[in-house]
Amino acid sequence: AAGVIQSPRHLIKEKRETATLKCYPIPRHDTVYWYQQGPGQDPQFLISFYEKMQSDKGSIPDRFSAQQFSDYHSELNMSSLELGDSALYFCASSSLHVTSGGTDTQYFGPGTRLTVL
Amino acid sequence: RKEVEQDPGPFNVPEGATVAFNCTYSNSASQSFFWYRQDCRKEPKLLMSVYSSGNEDGRFTAQLNRASQYISLLIRDSKLSDSATYLCAMFSGGYNKLIFGAGTRLAVHP
Repeated sequence: AAGVIQSPRHLIKEKRETATLKCYPIPRHDTVYWYQQGPGQDPQFLISFYEKMQSDKGSIPDRFSAQQFSDYHSELNMSSLELGDSALYFCASSSLHVTSGGTDTQYFGPGTRLTVL
Repeated sequence: RKEVEQDPGPFNVPEGATVAFNCTYSNSASQSFFWYRQDCRKEPKLLMSVYSSGNEDGRFTAQLNRASQYISLLIRDSKLSDSATYLCAMFSGGYNKLIFGAGTRLAVHP
């Protein structure tokens, strides 16, 4: 079965540079979530999109932005990178029909490991 | 105080042992709970959803105690391949973002 695809898998950037992470959800999934996991920490929710609209926002710095496109893939844009941004960034997708009160399992992609030097 | 508190471990157990992890939560309105397994540098993978009636999947049993606001995971007959970090998680908010516990590390040795 198709899984969540993330690219790139590894990314090395210098301080103050920008980075773009991409996420391709499982086909027919309408909701995308972004999580950040620092070394030795649990995943922290950043932002989510449902049907191409931002649905929820967590502890995402103002330097970061994200969007979901018409084909449901999502991109996380990170600017003015700081050393503390070094982390694993996971994208997860689910099929979430809020109007029907449905909830569904979130499937995680393999993550992008971002290293800021 | 974190919304989800989890015993950090590590738990070092021999093969064949039974081990249990607990996780407490503070939001009594939470409806959906999960256990995820995460191997080093890999993505979290859903192990089990946790239902009020409790549920079992092979050697794994998950329980939810709403009165005391905790969930538990029991692993019987531990295998070397069970060595991983186990994360409890719950949905938060209308669009179901996941809130994770800090994770419990399990190391199963021969």
